Amino acid sequence: DQQVKQNSPSLSVQEGRISILNCDYTNSMFDYFLWYKKYPAEGPTFLISISSIKDKNEDGRFTVFLNKSAKHLSLHIVPSQPGDSAVYFCAASANDYKLSFGAGTTVTVRA
Amino acid sequence: GAVVSQHPSRVICKSGTSVKIECRSLDFQATTMFWYRQFPKKSLMLMATSNEGSKATYEQGVEKDKFLINHASLTLSTLTVTSAHPEDSSFYICSAGAKDRGANTQYFGPGTRLTVL
Repeated sequence: DQQVKQNSPSLSVQEGRISILNCDYTNSMFDYFLWYKKYPAEGPTFLISISSIKDKNEDGRFTVFLNKSAKHLSLHIVPSQPGDSAVYFCAASANDYKLSFGAGTTVTVRA
Repeated sequence: GAVVSQHPSRVICKSGTSVKIECRSLDFQATTMFWYRQFPKKSLMLMATSNEGSKATYEQGVEKDKFLINHASLTLSTLTVTSAHPEDSSFYICSAGAKDRGANTQYFGPGTRLTVL
C-alpha cells in the first residue's frame, strides 16, 4: 500500500523557471516530511524538510509547502538550474524514524 | 552536514558466496540505521531498521536469515547478504538517523551496487 504518492513520474522545465513537484500522502499519522534528491547510482541527498506544525519552510532556492487538510505537499525550486536535473523523492515519517518514500519524480532542466 | 559512507561501492561475486556491506556515520553518532534496496526505476524499499546493540527489525517479506544486519556501534552497521543469488543483484543503500540532528531526518550513504553472477 503506497502511503506516499508522487503522481508525476517526470517534469521538464526550462532553466531559470520554477519547478514544482507534488506529493500526496494517505497516512494522517505522518508528522514529518522530507524531500531528497538522487542522481543515478548514488544515495539520496537530503534537501529540505518540514514538520507538520508548519505550512512552509524555505532554504535558498528550495521551498516546501505543506497542506495538512489536503494531505499534500509540494517542493518549489526557483530558479531551476541544470544541476537540479535528478530524481526527487518525497518521504514522510510518523515519529518512528521509518520513512515512507514516494516513487520519485525525474526532473529535467532544459538549457 | 552529516556524512554517511558505504563500502564497497561496487561488488561482483559468484552465486553462493556471502557479501558484507559496511555503513558508517562519519561525523555523528547514529541512533538508528536503515538498510534499503532499490530496483531499477523504482523507489527505495526499506529492508530493515537497526538500533545499536539490539536486533534489527525486518520489514515484511525480507528474509532475516539471508540479510544479516549487525549494528555493533553508534557509527557502524553491516549488512551481509548470505549465499547470494542473481536475484539479489541490486543497489543497496544505508541511511543513518540521530535525534540530536533534528527530528527524523535520515542521511544516506552513496549506495553499493551488488552484482551476483
